[in-house]
Amino acid sequence: NAGVTQTPKFQVLKTGQSMTLQCAQDMNHEYMSWYRQDPGMGLRLIHYSVGAGITDQGEVPNGYNVSRSTTEDFPLRLLSAAPSQTSVYFCASSTGGGYGYTFGSGTRLTVV
Amino acid sequence: GQQLNQSPQSMFIQEGEDVSMNCTSSSIFNTWLWYKQDPGEGPVLLIALYKAGELTSNGRLTAQFGITRKDSFLNISASIPSDVGIYFCAGQLGSSASKIIFGSGTRLSIRP
Repeated sequence: NAGVTQTPKFQVLKTGQSMTLQCAQDMNHEYMSWYRQDPGMGLRLIHYSVGAGITDQGEVPNGYNVSRSTTEDFPLRLLSAAPSQTSVYFCASSTGGGYGYTFGSGTRLTVV
Repeated sequence: GQQLNQSPQSMFIQEGEDVSMNCTSSSIFNTWLWYKQDPGEGPVLLIALYKAGELTSNGRLTAQFGITRKDSFLNISASIPSDVGIYFCAGQLGSSASKIIFGSGTRLSIRP
């Protein structure tokens, strides 16, 4: 099993550009989430989904959109990139309950 | 919102030493999770705790779910070079994987 696959691994954007970070999981997990990781701030939840067609906002949703048309895929869209969105982004999935998340290897995004 | 206070933020140890870190919160959690993140990778689940007072081991790692359900501890015995990385605690509210909150991490380094 591939687990959680994120693409791309690295990306540089200019301010104002838009892009989509891809995330796919092959474990048939219902729960999927996007986190951003900034130095000294741990992991902060951007958006999450509890199943296909259902999404909700996390702690830091502004500037990001998500959709969940299938169980496997959970893309994150940056609408108009800003330097404050420079970060490492992690996608994660879970069966739910108390088993925690399986994380992808991350996308390092730099906005100049 | 809920916050987890993880300490220490960083620590330098000699190979062979024991390591302790902890996480506290003002909120009560149903599940405590401990993750480790290697450079350039996503966090990987080390230990999950489900009951107040529970003590669980995974090799040289031992974690405890605090009696008050507001804290958790992770100990690493006889540290080795591959223990280097960032350790995150995470608390889960209720039974939904969407309600997981992460601490800011403890960066573990080994003195040469």
